[in-house]
Parts: sequence; structure tokens; C-alpha cells
Amino acid sequence: NAGVTQTPKFRVLKTGQSMTLLCAQDMNHEYMYWYRQDPGMGLRLIHYSVGEGTTAKGEVPDGYNVSRLKKQNFLLGLESAAPSQTSVYFCATLSGGGISGANVLTFGAGSRLTVL
Amino acid sequence: RKEVEQDPGPFNVPEGATVAFNCTYSNSASQSFFWYRQDCRKEPKLLMSVYSSGNEDGRFTAQLNRASQYISLLIRDSKLSDSATYLCVVTSGAGSYQLTFGKGTKLSVIP
Repeated sequence: NAGVTQTPKFRVLKTGQSMTLLCAQDMNHEYMYWYRQDPGMGLRLIHYSVGEGTTAKGEVPDGYNVSRLKKQNFLLGLESAAPSQTSVYFCATLSGGGISGANVLTFGAGSRLTVL
Repeated sequence: RKEVEQDPGPFNVPEGATVAFNCTYSNSASQSFFWYRQDCRKEPKLLMSVYSSGNEDGRFTAQLNRASQYISLLIRDSKLSDSATYLCVVTSGAGSYQLTFGKGTKLSVIP
């Protein structure tokens, strides 16, 4: 049982290059999220999805696009990478029914992206 | 006022000490509260949920004060392995699927 798997774990890009981060989950969770974490900034929500075929913007969506074509996968795309997108990216999932003491976020191990 | 505020620390405490973290939140409609733990260069992991009546899990005690809109985490008999960043997390409403994270409080337990 892998839980939440993020690929790649590390990536170095040049300014202007594009790339896609993949989040895959095997828990049949409805909700999926992409966060970025920067020193001193905490976790900030980029985009999220409440089900297959749906996506929505979070707190910091600019420069990113997402897709949820299959329930188990949530892709985060950078069309033209910028140095400001250097960060650690975390994917998280949640079962349906809303957050409660018994239903909490499960995170992937993170993807470290550096844009030169 | 930021939605979720925490003292960033760092808190440097000796082994065996008791340490307390506080977190304030601005949305009075928040219903669910959590403490997550994040080790260096790792993903956040749930430490404990916070209930209105307060709850305890071994050396860890979490409390909620709805009137003053803050939650707290108390760690007794600190261990070296407790060194981590502790994140306060609240939901945006009942049945919500969105969480707001505090920036975290860094704890270093010193031998």
C-alpha cells in the first residue's frame, strides 16, 4: 500500500522550461491538493480537486495548471518555470465527507524543485 | 490578522522539559483543529486532533479555547526525538475539506 506517491522527488529546471509533477494515490480518496512550502511561509495551497474531472484554485495558483483526468492522479504543471517557483511541493489527499478527527490529510513525501 | 498564527520559535529546551505552543485562528466558523508534526525535509504528519474537551496522547496534551480562538499543544518530558516543526491546522468550516496551516513552530530539544 503506497498511499500517496509523488514523482519526481527532485528536479532542477532552467527558467522558461516546463515540467509536470505527478501525484498518485491508491486510497480511492476524493479530494487531492497541491501545496508549496517555502522557508518562513508555511504551506500554501496552489490548486485542489474535489473529484475526478474537477479542479479549483487555491491561495497561490498563478503560474501553475492542474488536471485530474483520473481519480487516482493529480498533475501539477509549470508551463514556463520561474526562479520564484523554486520550492518544495507537497501533494495531499483526503477521503470524502469533510475533514474531521477521523478523516485527515495524507501527504506525499514531497518534490523539491529548483529553477535556475 | 492572518488566519492562523503561531510563534515561529525556535524553542530550544533541554531534555525532560515541558514546552507549550499556542496557535490563534481568525475564523470563528472553524470546526476542526489539528496539530501536525514536520521533521526536517519530510512531509507533515498528523500528531493529534484537538477536541473541545481537550485530549491527551501520552506526553502530548492538546486544548481548544473557542471563546479566545486559540489552540495549544503541551509536550511533557521532552525527548530529543521531539525536535521538529509543529504545525497548527484549522478547517474553514463544518464538513469542510479545506485546511489552513500555520507557519509552524520549531522545537529543538537539547541533550
